[in-house]
Amino acid sequence: NAGVTQTPKFRILKIGQSMTLQCTQDMNHNYMYWYRQDPGMGLKLIYYSVGAGITDKGEVPNGYNVSRSTTEDFPLRLELAAPSQTSVYFCASLPPGGLGEQYFGPGTRLTVT
Amino acid sequence: AQRVTQPEKLLSVFKGAPVELKCNYSYSGSPELFWYVQYSRQRLQLLLRHISRESIKGFTADLNKGETSFHLKKPFAQEEDSAMYYCALSLDRMKGAQKLVFGQGTRLTINP
Repeated sequence: NAGVTQTPKFRILKIGQSMTLQCTQDMNHNYMYWYRQDPGMGLKLIYYSVGAGITDKGEVPNGYNVSRSTTEDFPLRLELAAPSQTSVYFCASLPPGGLGEQYFGPGTRLTVT
Repeated sequence: AQRVTQPEKLLSVFKGAPVELKCNYSYSGSPELFWYVQYSRQRLQLLLRHISRESIKGFTADLNKGETSFHLKKPFAQEEDSAMYYCALSLDRMKGAQKLVFGQGTRLTINP
């Protein structure tokens, strides 16, 4: 199993550009999450999904969109990138039942200039 | 509001010395707490959770509801314990979503 994979690893965007951060898991987990981590801070939940077709907002959803068309994929869309979105983005998944360990991807480092 | 506080951003101890990483939380519901760890060049991974009441790599953590704390302890630190440690609180556990609120993290350095 590859676990949770994220692409790209690094990206530099100009203000106003848009992009999609990809997240895929091959563990058949139904729960998936997107977090962002600003320098010196803890992770903050952006969006999460409890299964294909179901998504919900987390603590900091503004400026982002998500979709969950399959169990495996949970892409995060940034529209009109702003410098405040400069951060490291982590995707995570959780096995059915909603208990236990969240499995994290390696992260995507995004800079908006 | 739900909040997790780790008062120490940096903690440095000598090998063989005891270690305590502090975590305090604010939550009106029934808390479920975790410690996650990120070793250099590795992914964030679960170290332990209070429900399991287990010891992992010599670390233990006890939930103290009176003091709203979940401090991580190890009696004898080892060099391989050097890492970034995050305390996390699960919200809405009964709804099954396990939405985590993280503290800002403590970077632990074990000196030889």
